[in-house]
Formats: sequence, structure tokens, C-alpha cells
Amino acid sequence: EVQLVESGGGLVQPGGSLRLSCVVSGFTFSSHEMNWVRQAPGKGLEWVSYISSSGDTIYYADSVKGRFTISRDNAKNSLYLQMNSLRAEDTAVYYCARETVIMVRGVTPGACDIWGQGTMVIVSS
Amino acid sequence: DIQMTQSPSSVSASVGDRVTITCRASQGISNWLAWYQQKPGKAPKLLIYAASSLQSGVPLRFSGSGSGTDFTLTISSLQPEDFATYYCQQTNSFPRVFGPGTKVDIK
Repeated sequence: EVQLVESGGGLVQPGGSLRLSCVVSGFTFSSHEMNWVRQAPGKGLEWVSYISSSGDTIYYADSVKGRFTISRDNAKNSLYLQMNSLRAEDTAVYYCARETVIMVRGVTPGACDIWGQGTMVIVSS
Repeated sequence: DIQMTQSPSSVSASVGDRVTITCRASQGISNWLAWYQQKPGKAPKLLIYAASSLQSGVPLRFSGSGSGTDFTLTISSLQPEDFATYYCQQTNSFPRVFGPGTKVDIK
């Protein structure tokens, strides 16, 4: 069964740090690009970060650039999000999401076909 | 950055109705658009990728169309399990922005 399981969320004070993990199973992790997407309570989806299958290409949303770091360990089938200098506005459910490898006109379309269940991060004093 | 808008923000419909949701990009994104369905307390589910390609396992009543800046998601005959919030996402470039969502609820 294809599965993504996030962990590491919790309550943290403003300015603090957390490291989220996403352990995958049921597919070849090293073949897939991965993303983190978050959703603040009662709000819409916000794309946070992307990492290529090899880890050599990374992008961030402006809202987290310089504070969050995405990484992966293909040998451990794991994706990570190191979150530093946390702010109240970072409070959200954080999802890891796998990009599909289906090709469209010779390229992958960038859509996320498998999602984890999410882990809640609360930034509050 | 590309901005995404959706309309309407919410729609009330009955089982069996045809529902159309529109998504607009602030600049051309070719056909690099995905649609997701999300139910309360659950992770999003991919419905459509590359504007019109149906994800495996998704019912045929869902369809997508469009290219450039204007896109639509159509549910041909709304079923009870389709009441949810729908998001578009541009996948043409980074940042991979989502639309604000369209909530489909029961009339």
C-alpha cells in the first residue's frame, strides 16, 4: 500500500523550531519529486516547498524562504521540513505530498497524487 | 508570481445537478493545472492533472478543460459524496500556487 506518514508536529513558542518528517512506503521514493503543503485552520491550501527526486533542486514559498529547509534521505524513504524562527502565521496542518510520475508531453505535470494525513503545527506562547 | 482565482467561492447544488467551477491564472500556464477535492479533516485528493487528464480511479463525471489562463472543472451529475471543497493549482512554475477554493454544499 502506498503511504505517506508525517510526524513531528506539535506546540512550539514563537521563534522556536520544529522538524517535520514524512516516511513513505509502497513505492520507489527516489523516483518521485516531493512537496510540503500546509493549511491554516479554516483556510485554503498553501504550497510551501518542493524538492526534486535527487534533492538537488529546491524551491520555497516566499512566506517561508530563509526560515524553512526541505531535505530528503532516499535511503531512509524520508522527507523532512526543518522549520526555524516559527511565527504564529505558520500554525497549520502540514501535508507531505508525492508528485505523479505520469508523463504528459514528455514531462511530469507537477500534480500531487498521494498525500499524507497531515501533522498539526501550533505556534503560540 | 502567478496568482490564481476561483469562482464561485461557494455553490449550493442538489444531487444530480451539473456543477461548473472556474479557475483563472494571472498569466498563461499552458495546460499545467491540477484540480483537487478536499473533505473536512481529510487530505486533498487529486482529480485532474494537466488541465484535462483524469486521475486514475476518479469517476468519469469529473472533467476538466481549458488552457492558457482559463480553466473549468465540471461535475456532470453531482453525487452525495461530491460535497466538498475544490482547489485548482498551477503547476507551470514555482511557487506552485493554489486557488482559494470553491465549496460545494447541499442546496
